[in-house]
Amino acid sequence: NAGVTQTPKFQVLKTGQSMTLQCAQDMNHEYMSWYRQDPGMGLRLIHYSVGAGITDQGEVPNGYNVSRSTTEDFPLRLLSAAPSQTSVYFCASSYSVKNNEQFFGPGTRLTVL
Amino acid sequence: AQSVAQPEDQVNVAEGNPLTVKCTYSVSGNPYLFWYVQYPNRGLQFLLKYITGDNLVKGSYGFEAEFNKSQTSFHLKKPSALVSDSALYFCAVSSRSNDYKLSFGAGTTVTVRA
Repeated sequence: NAGVTQTPKFQVLKTGQSMTLQCAQDMNHEYMSWYRQDPGMGLRLIHYSVGAGITDQGEVPNGYNVSRSTTEDFPLRLLSAAPSQTSVYFCASSYSVKNNEQFFGPGTRLTVL
Repeated sequence: AQSVAQPEDQVNVAEGNPLTVKCTYSVSGNPYLFWYVQYPNRGLQFLLKYITGDNLVKGSYGFEAEFNKSQTSFHLKKPSALVSDSALYFCAVSSRSNDYKLSFGAGTTVTVRA
């Protein structure tokens, strides 16, 4: 098993550009989520999904979109990048929404200039 | 609303000494409590969890944590720290009242000196 994979590992964007962060898992997990990690703030939930076709907002959803067309994939789209979105982004998955023994991807470090 | 507090930004201990990382939480209803560890430039790794049952929970790498309902705490402990335990540690809470979404503390950096 590859576990949770994320691409790219690093990305630099200019303000206003859009991009998609990719996330995939091969563990047949129902629950997938996106977090951003900022110094001194821990991880904050952006969006999550409890299964294919179902997504919902987390704590900091503004400026981000998600979709879940398959069990395996959960891409995160930045619609119009802003410097405030400079962060490290982690995708995670778990067997179910109640079982939060989550498996995390290696992260994407995003810089918005 | 639910929240987690990790009152210490940094914990420094000598190798072989006991290690404690503190965590307190606030939640409506019964908490589900977790500890994760993050090594440099890596994603988080699950260490242990408390859902119900025995207040003392044992996890990976010799770590354990004690759930204290009256003090709303879930401190992480290791009897004898190793240099390789140096990392960033996160406490997290979820609950049915918040649809089981995880809320993380700000993290505690542990440094174990040889």
